Amino acid sequence: EVQLVESGGGLVQPGGSLRLSCAASGFTFSSYEMNWVRQAPGKGLEWVSYISSSGSTIYYADSVKGRFTISRDNAKNSLYLQMNSLRAEDTAVYYCAIYYYDRGSFDYWGQGTLVTVSS
Amino acid sequence: DIQMTQSPSSLSASVGDRVTITCQASQDISNYLNWYQQKPGKAPKLLIYDASNLETGVPSRFSGSGSGTDFTFTISSLQPEDIATYYCQQYDNLPQLTFGGGTKVEIK
Repeated sequence: EVQLVESGGGLVQPGGSLRLSCAASGFTFSSYEMNWVRQAPGKGLEWVSYISSSGSTIYYADSVKGRFTISRDNAKNSLYLQMNSLRAEDTAVYYCAIYYYDRGSFDYWGQGTLVTVSS
Repeated sequence: DIQMTQSPSSLSASVGDRVTITCQASQDISNYLNWYQQKPGKAPKLLIYDASNLETGVPSRFSGSGSGTDFTFTISSLQPEDIATYYCQQYDNLPQLTFGGGTKVEIK
């Protein structure tokens, strides 16, 4: 069974940093492209970042470019999101999701981890 | 970036009703469109991919159609367990993937 478990969320002050993790199991993690998608409280879904299966190709939404860094450790079956210079508008539930390139879909999602940026 | 406009933003219907949600892209995206269901407090779930293909295990009362800029998502007979928010998502403009604003479906 595919499982994605996010962790690392919490309360952080504006300008602060946080590192999210996503532990994957039940599938060959190193073979799949991964993404982070976020959802602000009561709002819709926003794609944040993409990383290829090898980690060689990375993309970011304009809203987080230069502040967030996605990475992965295929030996540890883990995906990460380093978030720096956090702003109030980054407050959201952050989901990791498996991406199927051939149909552009997010096929499996974790349960999400809440990041709150507030003083 | 490609903008995805969903309508309505919310709707209320009775059990057994046919429910239709539309999604309009700001430019031609061929059939590069997916639909998701998100129940309260849960992660989204893929229902329809490539505009009209039903994901494995998804009930046949769900369907999708359209191409180009105009797309439709339909629940043929609304069930109580279908209460959720539904999102469309385009993948024509990789890597900038965008979602519609969502449609909240409630029972009347």
